[in-house]
Amino acid sequence: GAGVSQTPSNKVTEKGKYVELRCDPISGHTALYWYRQSLGQGPEFLIYFQGTGAADDSGLPNDRFFAVRPEGSVSTLKIQRTERGDSAVYLCASSQAGKTFKQFFGPGTRLTVL
Amino acid sequence: AQSVAQPEDQVNVAEGNPLTVKCTYSVSGNPYLFWYVQYPNRGLQFLLKYITGDNLVKGSYGFEAEFNKSQTSFHLKKPSALVSDSALYFCAVREGAAGNKLTFGGGTRVLVKP
Repeated sequence: GAGVSQTPSNKVTEKGKYVELRCDPISGHTALYWYRQSLGQGPEFLIYFQGTGAADDSGLPNDRFFAVRPEGSVSTLKIQRTERGDSAVYLCASSQAGKTFKQFFGPGTRLTVL
Repeated sequence: AQSVAQPEDQVNVAEGNPLTVKCTYSVSGNPYLFWYVQYPNRGLQFLLKYITGDNLVKGSYGFEAEFNKSQTSFHLKKPSALVSDSALYFCAVREGAAGNKLTFGGGTRVLVKP
């Protein structure tokens, strides 16, 4: 079956612009996670959704970052007034209800802020 | 706060030799421990997990890991490495059943030489 998909695969933008990154989880997975992976580092947690609501957004670095999941499936990570330090690979993962210990990751979106 | 340390940035091993990738962790509750592998331009792939039970867990592609509570370690092992095992390996921890977010180590690059 289809895995987690993320679009776009690459995004280049200019400092100060707004970007949206999309995640399509595995069908039926109720939990969805966003992580950020900077060059040479491990992924860092950003936010976790259970259904439509953000159950834990403690990893969002500041108020320029926001994520939504209005229908409990697709999620969009939104970054306002992008900065060069936002350049990273943004990973999305999903898991089944009751099996949140096994997260399935998408290929990521590589964001480059010039 | 939970944390993971992978003390080696890179591990070099000859094909056919045993492979070990080290990981130590810190978590306040019972740890759920994971290993993921990342191939170039691909998403993180789940290798194995420790939740409870036997300290030695077996996973995909012939990998196994040993949970050692007293040493707070969860080293990844493979008895006979293959060239195709060359990749980036991440150890991750989650705080038991109540937690959801994964905290990753910085990663260890494994290079298996023919």
